Amino acid sequence: DTGVSQNPRHKITKRGQNVTFRCDPISEHNRLYWYRQTLGQGPEFLTYFQNEAQLEKSRLLSDRFSAERPKGSFSTLEIQRTEQGDSAMYLCASSYNSYNEQFFGPGTRLTVL
Amino acid sequence: GQQLNQSPQSMFIQEGEDVSMNCTSSSIFNTWLWYKQDPGEGPVLLIALYKAGELTSNGRLTAQFGITRKDSFLNISASIPSDVGIYFCAGQPPQGGSEKLVFGKGTKLTVNP
Repeated sequence: DTGVSQNPRHKITKRGQNVTFRCDPISEHNRLYWYRQTLGQGPEFLTYFQNEAQLEKSRLLSDRFSAERPKGSFSTLEIQRTEQGDSAMYLCASSYNSYNEQFFGPGTRLTVL
Repeated sequence: GQQLNQSPQSMFIQEGEDVSMNCTSSSIFNTWLWYKQDPGEGPVLLIALYKAGELTSNGRLTAQFGITRKDSFLNISASIPSDVGIYFCAGQPPQGGSEKLVFGKGTKLTVNP
């Protein structure tokens, strides 16, 4: 399977704990995006990488959130000191060029108790 | 910021019927994309549109990029049970260098066999 993969698929954590998610994009896709989706809403943009450079961040990405893509391949999204409002589906997408055909992974569903 | 208004919010149809849904905005977009999402999964790209007025088909699906660049529609012909899901429109705003997508809230489609 050469699609976007995300791990874990589900994460349950207690408020105040740190969590980290991983995204592996489609091979040779140099662009990688993170989105967050809450129930009944469409995905909302969080941040975007071109190769290893983080080029754009949404105001939704508070200082408790950090994303990295150290070698321009996989990416991690870390949430520190989780809050109940962080409960959502976190989606990763990748694309080959700026024409923006973004292909999404299956998502990581986070539940903060 | 840009917002996309999708309508209808939900649809209940009989198998074999045609479906039409649309997406409007008060702002212009450079690119329009249509995605389908099944429960617990990431969005799957259906159709991408790049030019105002463009009409594109993908099997039973047809989508158009509005001439004003502020709207798009998606038609599904001869619906089948596996068309069930949530359909999202997404647009790329014309802000220089931004590659984020802005999503609508989705149209939930139910197909009765």
